[in-house]
Amino acid sequence: SQQGEEDPQALSIQEGENATMNCSYKTSINNLQWYRQNSGRGLVHLILIRSNEREKHSGRLRVTLDTSKKSSSLLITASRAADTASYFCATDAGNMLTFGGGTRLMVKP
Amino acid sequence: DGGITQSPKYLFRKEGQNVTLSCEQNLNHDAMYWYRQDPGQGLRLIYYSQIVNDFQKGDIAEGYSVSREKKESFPLTVTSAQKNPTAFYLCASSIRRDTQYFGPGTRLTVL
Repeated sequence: SQQGEEDPQALSIQEGENATMNCSYKTSINNLQWYRQNSGRGLVHLILIRSNEREKHSGRLRVTLDTSKKSSSLLITASRAADTASYFCATDAGNMLTFGGGTRLMVKP
Repeated sequence: DGGITQSPKYLFRKEGQNVTLSCEQNLNHDAMYWYRQDPGQGLRLIYYSQIVNDFQKGDIAEGYSVSREKKESFPLTVTSAQKNPTAFYLCASSIRRDTQYFGPGTRLTVL
């Protein structure tokens, strides 16, 4: 069962531009997490936002959560070529994490 | 050097063979997980263990088996009953469900 669905599936931008990725989910959650995966590597945790939080920042990352719409967004500001990766949202609904299909971000230098 | 390791990085299996993927962590985490990732897709949970000597099936456990005899180790066996095992396998661990720490993955190919 895939709880989270990312949108868009792929995104291509120029270096310096902002990148926005969205995640929608179906059931109530305890928290929502964003992970990054470079090609052929493991996932790296980026940020966690709890169900009672609406916005969270970490460096160039900004995450929002709207529990009424069951959606979250990840904004990467001033993107760099090194930000090229796949980004996954994962929802914790009480038992285990459920990952979405990911957004593949390409940042062109 | 704390972390989670997986071996081997690449693994080739012949039809009908069982293979075992290794996952070791020295983070003192209670929970460990195995995921399968197909090309261009997200992660699907195979098995997870929240404590030593206990594990639970995930969404796609058929054709796989695990053991959790030590806190540090959570090996995954891909059996001959798994008809389409070619995939990228990721192991993770966590203290609680909050944040998972992932290994570098094992790419399994059936010849």
